[in-house]
Amino acid sequence: DGGITQSPKYLFRKEGQNVTLSCEQNLNHDAMYWYRQDPGQGLRLIYYSQIVNDFQKGDIAEGYSVSREKKESFPLTVTSAQKNPTAFYLCASTQPQHFGDGTRLSIL
Amino acid sequence: GQQVMQIPQYQHVQEGEDFTTYCNSSTTLSNIQWYKQRPGGHPVFLIQLVKSGEVKKQKRLTFQFGEAKKNSSLHITATQTTDVGTYFCTNSGGSNYKLTFGKGTLLTVNP
Repeated sequence: DGGITQSPKYLFRKEGQNVTLSCEQNLNHDAMYWYRQDPGQGLRLIYYSQIVNDFQKGDIAEGYSVSREKKESFPLTVTSAQKNPTAFYLCASTQPQHFGDGTRLSIL
Repeated sequence: GQQVMQIPQYQHVQEGEDFTTYCNSSTTLSNIQWYKQRPGGHPVFLIQLVKSGEVKKQKRLTFQFGEAKKNSSLHITATQTTDVGTYFCTNSGGSNYKLTFGKGTLLTVNP
């Protein structure tokens, strides 16, 4: 079945560590997005990519990095510079948006 | 993306009661998309409105886009426990790639 696959479902990070969240799609969509959701809050845009090898910062890009080397893949790295990384991270493609199941990141 | 404000933030109803959530903007919106997120799940697309004054229905759900394209509403008739979740509106910016989500309305339904 076509869709967005995010892995892992749960991720734990130690202080000072970088971690990478995976997002893969087989929908042949050009645009992909990363959002952060905090408990009881809406979705805030971290980065988005309209096409391979191109991406733009969203509203809360500080402490995050992305790459878009392949159409199918849009990984998100949460760097040690992100001081409050505990959140639910959602990857999506195109519009209307198709979402993956998300990754819950926690700090040990 | 343009800012969209949603009200109310929370709504608790008895099963069978109606429910409405509103999405408002200070500027004209190019379109409105509505999503539903069940507890512990991911947002799922419900509908997109584009035309001024547009009204669309999906079973017990009625979606409206204001004449001035600055507001939208989602109305659920005779709520059921399956309607529980957070309802989000979003508008894509002029580039049509960047979306701005409202903070959502959390609906809980008492059986």
